[in-house]
Amino acid sequence: NAGVMQNPRHLVRRRGQEARLRCSPMKGHSHVYWYRQLPEEGLKFMVYLQKENIIDESGMPKERFSAEFPKEGPSILRIQQVVRGDSAAYFCASSLADSPLHFGNGTRLTVT
Amino acid sequence: KQEVTQIPAALSVPEGENLVLNCSFTDSAIYNLQWFRQDPGKGLTSLLLIQSSQREQTSGRLNASLDKSSGRSTLYIAASQPGDSATYLCAVPNTGNQFYFGTGTSLTVIP
Repeated sequence: NAGVMQNPRHLVRRRGQEARLRCSPMKGHSHVYWYRQLPEEGLKFMVYLQKENIIDESGMPKERFSAEFPKEGPSILRIQQVVRGDSAAYFCASSLADSPLHFGNGTRLTVT
Repeated sequence: KQEVTQIPAALSVPEGENLVLNCSFTDSAIYNLQWFRQDPGKGLTSLLLIQSSQREQTSGRLNASLDKSSGRSTLYIAASQPGDSATYLCAVPNTGNQFYFGTGTSLTVIP
């Protein structure tokens, strides 16, 4: 029973490029969350999705960031035209309703 | 907006000691509270989930308590071991299932 799978583990992008981060939730989990962790800071909520629906995107920057969780396939966090300030660890978590969060090992994005 | 605070920010103890980590939250209308550990460069591992109707949960050497009315939770670690060294985070969800995290307590257990 695989846990939450995120790929890639490390991603390097030059300023202006696009970054695509993938997350496969635990089997049977229909709730997916994306969090960002900046160096020396806590985890900050970005977006909460259920299959084909964005439930809460209040933590997502208004521009350049988007997320989806299609009916088939992984959840994708997409960052367009990356800037140095986007460098961070991005964590995905999944859960059933009212059950513990299970986290992936994260994708560490470095923008050069 | 919910704010979660963890004290202390860092803690260093000799092996074998019992220790307490603290978590406080400003909005007591919570559904549950969850404790995690994070190892350097890794993701988060769920340790304990306490429902709002519960006062404590235990798993092995770990015991978490919850006092909703005072907005506090504690994580008690008995007989600490070097392998317990990690950052410990507490998190509470809002009504929309968005989790608010504290900034964590970095624990070092010295052999």
